[in-house]
Amino acid sequence: QLQLQESGPGLVKPSETLSLTCSVSGGSVYSSNYYWSWIRQPPGKGLEWIGNIYYIGSTHYNPSLKSRVSMSIGGYRNQFSLRLESITAADTAVYYCARSRGGAYVFDIWGQGTVVTVSS
Amino acid sequence: EIVVTQSPATLSVSPGQRATLSCRASQSVSSHLAWYQQKPGQAPRLLIYAASTRATGIPARFTGSGPGTDFTLTISTLQSEDFAVYYCQQYRRWPLTFGGGTKVEI
Repeated sequence: QLQLQESGPGLVKPSETLSLTCSVSGGSVYSSNYYWSWIRQPPGKGLEWIGNIYYIGSTHYNPSLKSRVSMSIGGYRNQFSLRLESITAADTAVYYCARSRGGAYVFDIWGQGTVVTVSS
Repeated sequence: EIVVTQSPATLSVSPGQRATLSCRASQSVSSHLAWYQQKPGQAPRLLIYAASTRATGIPARFTGSGPGTDFTLTISTLQSEDFAVYYCQQYRRWPLTFGGGTKVEI
Protein backbone atom coordinates (compact mmCIF):
# COMPACT_ATOMS: atom_id res chain seq x y z
CA GLN A 1 0.00 0.00 0.00
CA LEU A 2 1.46 3.31 -1.07
CA GLN A 3 2.07 5.82 1.69
CA LEU A 4 3.15 9.46 1.66
CA GLN A 5 4.96 11.30 4.42
CA GLU A 6 5.66 15.03 4.49
CA SER A 7 8.68 16.46 6.26
CA GLY A 8 10.09 19.91 6.79
CA PRO A 9 10.46 22.74 9.30
CA GLY A 10 7.45 23.50 11.42
CA LEU A 11 8.45 27.15 11.82
CA VAL A 12 9.67 29.51 9.11
CA LYS A 13 10.53 33.19 9.37
CA PRO A 14 8.84 35.74 7.11
CA SER A 15 10.64 36.40 3.81
CA GLU A 16 12.46 33.06 4.00
CA THR A 17 11.99 30.05 1.74
CA LEU A 18 9.92 27.05 2.79
CA SER A 19 11.21 23.64 1.70
CA LEU A 20 9.12 20.51 2.16
CA THR A 21 9.69 16.93 1.09
CA CYS A 22 7.22 14.12 0.51
CA SER A 23 8.67 10.64 0.91
CA VAL A 24 6.90 7.85 -0.96
CA SER A 25 6.87 4.25 0.28
CA GLY A 26 5.15 1.21 -1.19
CA GLY A 27 5.42 2.60 -4.71
CA SER A 28 7.59 4.71 -6.98
CA VAL A 29 7.45 8.40 -7.89
CA TYR A 30 8.79 7.29 -11.27
CA SER A 31 5.54 5.62 -12.26
CA SER A 32 4.13 7.06 -15.49
CA ASN A 33 0.60 6.54 -14.14
CA TYR A 34 0.63 9.20 -11.44
CA TYR A 35 1.09 12.88 -10.71
CA TRP A 36 2.27 14.20 -7.38
CA SER A 37 0.70 17.26 -5.82
CA TRP A 38 1.04 19.68 -2.95
CA ILE A 39 -2.12 21.04 -1.34
CA ARG A 40 -2.41 23.32 1.64
CA GLN A 41 -5.03 24.26 4.19
CA PRO A 42 -4.79 27.41 6.32
CA PRO A 43 -6.08 27.07 9.87
CA GLY A 44 -9.86 26.72 9.88
CA LYS A 45 -10.10 27.20 6.12
CA GLY A 46 -10.50 25.18 2.94
CA LEU A 47 -8.11 23.43 0.59
CA GLU A 48 -5.84 25.12 -1.95
CA TRP A 49 -4.03 23.19 -4.65
CA ILE A 50 -0.45 24.47 -5.00
CA GLY A 51 0.74 22.44 -7.97
CA ASN A 52 1.85 19.05 -9.21
CA ILE A 53 4.79 17.32 -10.82
CA TYR A 54 5.11 14.34 -13.13
CA TYR A 55 7.92 11.78 -13.01
CA ILE A 56 9.72 13.42 -15.94
CA GLY A 57 9.80 16.71 -14.06
CA SER A 58 7.00 18.54 -15.86
CA THR A 59 4.89 20.73 -13.61
CA HIS A 60 1.62 22.62 -13.28
CA TYR A 61 1.43 25.41 -10.71
CA ASN A 62 -1.46 27.40 -9.34
CA PRO A 63 -1.19 30.88 -10.92
CA SER A 64 -1.85 32.44 -7.51
CA LEU A 65 1.49 31.06 -6.29
CA LYS A 66 3.37 30.47 -9.52
CA SER A 67 5.91 33.26 -9.07
CA ARG A 68 7.04 31.81 -5.73
CA VAL A 69 6.69 28.04 -6.21
CA SER A 70 8.96 25.37 -7.58
CA MET A 71 8.76 21.57 -7.38
CA SER A 72 11.27 18.85 -8.00
CA ILE A 73 11.19 15.07 -8.06
CA GLY A 74 13.41 12.12 -7.39
CA GLY A 75 17.09 12.33 -7.68
CA TYR A 76 18.34 9.25 -5.92
CA ARG A 77 15.42 9.15 -3.54
CA ASN A 78 11.78 8.16 -3.87
CA GLN A 79 10.46 11.60 -3.06
CA PHE A 80 9.31 14.92 -4.41
CA SER A 81 9.73 18.39 -3.00
CA LEU A 82 8.18 21.84 -2.73
CA ARG A 83 9.90 25.21 -2.45
CA LEU A 84 7.91 28.32 -1.64
CA GLU A 85 9.82 31.59 -1.60
CA SER A 86 9.21 34.91 0.15
CA ILE A 87 7.04 33.39 2.83
CA THR A 88 4.49 35.53 4.69
CA ALA A 89 2.04 34.86 7.50
CA ALA A 90 -0.59 34.06 4.85
CA ASP A 91 1.40 30.91 4.02
CA THR A 92 0.76 29.46 7.48
CA ALA A 93 -1.09 26.21 6.83
CA VAL A 94 -1.11 22.44 6.94
CA TYR A 95 0.71 21.26 3.83
CA TYR A 96 -0.31 17.94 2.30
CA CYS A 97 1.28 15.91 -0.43
CA ALA A 98 -1.04 13.74 -2.49
CA ARG A 99 -1.17 11.40 -5.47
CA SER A 100 -3.43 11.64 -8.49
CA ARG A 101 -3.76 9.63 -11.67
CA GLY A 102 -2.95 11.11 -15.02
CA GLY A 103 -6.05 12.34 -16.83
CA ALA A 104 -8.17 12.28 -13.69
CA TYR A 105 -6.58 14.66 -11.28
CA VAL A 106 -8.32 13.50 -8.14
CA PHE A 107 -6.36 12.81 -5.00
CA ASP A 108 -6.72 9.20 -3.94
CA ILE A 109 -3.81 9.01 -1.50
CA TRP A 110 -2.75 11.76 0.89
CA GLY A 111 0.00 12.25 3.39
CA GLN A 112 -0.94 13.05 6.97
CA GLY A 113 0.04 16.69 6.51
CA THR A 114 2.69 18.86 8.12
CA VAL A 115 1.98 22.09 9.98
CA VAL A 116 3.96 25.11 8.83
CA THR A 117 3.83 28.30 10.88
CA VAL A 118 5.29 31.54 9.58
CA SER A 119 6.46 33.74 12.40
CA SER A 120 9.48 35.75 13.41
CA GLU B 1 -9.96 29.83 -13.06
CA ILE B 2 -13.10 27.79 -12.38
CA VAL B 3 -14.68 28.91 -9.14
CA VAL B 4 -16.40 26.17 -7.14
CA THR B 5 -19.07 27.15 -4.62
CA GLN B 6 -20.56 24.82 -2.02
CA SER B 7 -23.79 25.21 -0.12
CA PRO B 8 -24.83 25.29 2.58
CA ALA B 9 -21.76 26.15 4.63
CA THR B 10 -23.19 24.15 7.52
CA LEU B 11 -25.83 21.41 7.47
CA SER B 12 -27.42 20.31 10.71
CA VAL B 13 -28.92 16.84 10.54
CA SER B 14 -29.66 13.90 12.82
CA PRO B 15 -28.25 10.38 12.53
CA GLY B 16 -30.40 8.29 10.23
CA GLN B 17 -31.51 11.28 8.17
CA ARG B 18 -30.60 12.11 4.59
CA ALA B 19 -28.08 14.86 3.83
CA THR B 20 -27.89 16.68 0.51
CA LEU B 21 -24.84 18.82 -0.24
CA SER B 22 -24.53 21.09 -3.28
CA CYS B 23 -21.57 22.15 -5.39
CA ARG B 24 -21.71 24.63 -8.25
CA ALA B 25 -18.97 25.35 -10.78
CA SER B 26 -18.65 28.74 -12.50
CA GLN B 27 -18.53 26.96 -15.87
CA SER B 28 -19.19 23.46 -17.07
CA VAL B 29 -16.73 20.87 -15.79
CA SER B 30 -18.50 17.99 -17.53
CA SER B 31 -18.13 15.07 -15.08
CA HIS B 32 -14.72 16.15 -13.83
CA LEU B 33 -15.79 16.61 -10.24
CA ALA B 34 -14.76 14.84 -7.05
CA TRP B 35 -15.95 14.83 -3.45
CA TYR B 36 -13.82 14.44 -0.31
CA GLN B 37 -14.57 13.95 3.36
CA GLN B 38 -12.35 15.48 6.03
CA LYS B 39 -12.52 14.82 9.75
CA PRO B 40 -10.74 16.99 12.34
CA GLY B 41 -6.99 16.48 12.37
CA GLN B 42 -7.07 14.18 9.35
CA ALA B 43 -6.25 14.47 5.68
CA PRO B 44 -9.18 14.51 3.26
CA ARG B 45 -10.44 11.16 1.94
CA LEU B 46 -11.63 10.68 -1.63
CA LEU B 47 -15.30 9.67 -1.74
CA ILE B 48 -16.51 10.24 -5.28
CA TYR B 49 -14.86 10.99 -8.63
CA ALA B 50 -16.19 11.48 -12.14
CA ALA B 51 -19.19 13.10 -10.44
CA SER B 52 -20.83 9.80 -9.48
CA THR B 53 -18.25 6.99 -9.15
CA ARG B 54 -17.54 5.88 -5.62
CA ALA B 55 -13.89 5.45 -4.70
CA THR B 56 -12.65 2.12 -3.42
CA GLY B 57 -14.19 1.15 -0.11
CA ILE B 58 -16.75 3.96 0.01
CA PRO B 59 -20.16 2.81 1.26
CA ALA B 60 -23.15 2.83 -1.05
CA ARG B 61 -24.95 5.41 1.11
CA PHE B 62 -22.75 8.06 -0.58
CA THR B 63 -24.12 9.05 -3.98
CA GLY B 64 -22.92 11.76 -6.34
CA SER B 65 -24.74 13.33 -9.26
CA GLY B 66 -23.92 15.72 -12.10
CA PRO B 67 -22.66 16.57 -14.78
CA GLY B 68 -22.31 20.16 -15.96
CA THR B 69 -22.22 22.95 -13.41
CA ASP B 70 -24.47 21.73 -10.60
CA PHE B 71 -23.55 18.69 -8.54
CA THR B 72 -24.96 16.97 -5.49
CA LEU B 73 -23.57 14.64 -2.87
CA THR B 74 -26.25 12.69 -1.04
CA ILE B 75 -25.67 10.70 2.12
CA SER B 76 -28.75 8.52 2.31
CA THR B 77 -28.73 7.51 5.98
CA LEU B 78 -26.29 9.46 8.10
CA GLN B 79 -24.09 7.43 10.38
CA SER B 80 -22.20 8.90 13.32
CA GLU B 81 -18.92 8.61 11.43
CA ASP B 82 -20.28 10.76 8.58
CA PHE B 83 -20.22 13.99 10.56
CA ALA B 84 -17.35 15.84 8.92
CA VAL B 85 -16.52 18.55 6.39
CA TYR B 86 -17.09 17.74 2.72
CA TYR B 87 -15.26 19.37 -0.17
CA CYS B 88 -15.85 19.20 -3.90
CA GLN B 89 -13.05 19.68 -6.43
CA GLN B 90 -13.10 20.27 -10.17
CA TYR B 91 -10.41 18.82 -12.40
CA ARG B 92 -11.69 19.96 -15.79
CA ARG B 93 -9.21 22.81 -16.12
CA TRP B 94 -6.03 24.11 -14.50
CA PRO B 95 -5.71 25.22 -11.81
CA LEU B 96 -7.45 22.48 -9.88
CA THR B 97 -9.88 24.16 -7.50
CA PHE B 98 -11.84 23.18 -4.41
CA GLY B 99 -15.08 24.45 -3.00
CA GLY B 100 -15.11 26.08 0.40
CA GLY B 101 -16.62 23.05 2.11
CA THR B 102 -19.84 22.02 3.83
CA LYS B 103 -19.74 21.03 7.47
CA VAL B 104 -22.23 18.30 8.33
CA GLU B 105 -23.02 18.49 12.02
CA ILE B 106 -25.50 17.07 14.46
